[in-house]
Amino acid sequence: GENVGLHLPTLSVQEGDNSIINCAYSNSASDYFIWYKQESGKGPQFIIDIRSNMDKRQGQRVTVLLNKTVKHLSLQIAATQPGDSAVYFCADRTGANNLFFGTGTRLTVIP
Amino acid sequence: DAGVIQSPRHEVTEMGQEVTLRCKLISGHNSLFWYRQTMMRGLELLIYFNNNVPIDDSGMPEDRFSAKMPNASFSTLKIQPSEPRDSAVYFCASSFLGSDTQYFGPGTRLTVL
Repeated sequence: GENVGLHLPTLSVQEGDNSIINCAYSNSASDYFIWYKQESGKGPQFIIDIRSNMDKRQGQRVTVLLNKTVKHLSLQIAATQPGDSAVYFCADRTGANNLFFGTGTRLTVIP
Repeated sequence: DAGVIQSPRHEVTEMGQEVTLRCKLISGHNSLFWYRQTMMRGLELLIYFNNNVPIDDSGMPEDRFSAKMPNASFSTLKIQPSEPRDSAVYFCASSFLGSDTQYFGPGTRLTVL
């Protein structure tokens, strides 16, 4: 998407370690951010989202951090499991506009 | 609920042929989105509908692409004539109008020879 990019296209982690997937966005007016997980041969699956009035939101084993000062978003996965291997997309939205997706980071979990 | 349903899952066709991709929304959802995914361009929004009405089709590549919602739960994306550069995975997603979360279908992998 025009507003969203990813620092690293691939990430490999050991099973049990924590994973951090990063995302940068360029539009300071973006007010909503979302992470999707896409496994091979499947459609993107919602993981977690966050609005711009927050800087942290936690789910089950996942945490999203938002740093509006540097326009940076991250997804942290605790105790990474083989089932977490997938491509992770961040997306942002401004107001009522549509989501713009980044190009994705491929996470590989090494057993 | 079965989730968003797309058909076919795979389509191989020859250049110049008409292709029709189908999508069934999750029951009760009233927003529908068509995306295209390629390695080079990632996920791109083609068009979306609210309550069966096309709202933004600025992502549709050209006039060869058209999308319709003949009823509240079903949509088609048609490519006529198809070209090799149309090869991609096409996803549809649905949501409740005004909701942030879009639910994606499994996609249709289109190969145009």
